[in-house]
Amino acid sequence: DTAVSQTPKYLVTQMGNDKSIKCEQNLGHDTMYWYKQDSKKFLKIMFSYNNKELIINETVPNRFSPKSPDKAHLNLHINSLELGDSAVYFCASSQASGRGEQYFGPGTRLTVT
Amino acid sequence: GEDVEQSLFLSVREGDSSVINCTYTDSSSTYLYWYKQEPGAGLQLLTYIFSNMDMKQDQRLTVLLNKKDKHLSLRIADTQTGDSAIYFCAEISGGSYIPTFGRGTSLIVHP
Repeated sequence: DTAVSQTPKYLVTQMGNDKSIKCEQNLGHDTMYWYKQDSKKFLKIMFSYNNKELIINETVPNRFSPKSPDKAHLNLHINSLELGDSAVYFCASSQASGRGEQYFGPGTRLTVT
Repeated sequence: GEDVEQSLFLSVREGDSSVINCTYTDSSSTYLYWYKQEPGAGLQLLTYIFSNMDMKQDQRLTVLLNKKDKHLSLRIADTQTGDSAIYFCAEISGGSYIPTFGRGTSLIVHP
């Protein structure tokens, strides 16, 4: 009964392709996030959704489009993949009214060749 | 914007104490956190401290908060090889539920 799950765990694809990463949380949280972690382990927030509404959209290329069909799911679709998109992508969730601690998924390692 | 700073690396010998330091700029921080990331895994909350506290102890972990200097530290007593990981400092300020993360400190524990 994993709290925050992501699929796939590994994704290898060629430049120019379109791919999606799925995320689900069973914690009943109202807020979900996507983070990108680069090869130096720096963690950068990309998007935040609260109750299915986009709250934060950091300076991310519009090739990245999050979709939240319901509070428990936040998927990330990436169009026209580029070499620089290679990274580990983490989904996370939290309860906005709580202490703010975040629960992270196991990550999706995306490699663009 | 607000900033959270950490040194990138710390190397200690097994059995010694480790102290990981963090500084932040937001004076309205309410909660401060330490997350641990093991290789190939996501971040996991290790501990947190509320801004009106100076210290929090949890088994081998001691968190110290100096609000005046905006300095947070994590001390791990009797460091073990299993403590080798990246430790992220993070803070949340009043009115926001989105944390600001530091860049992480890689803790290397050698025999």
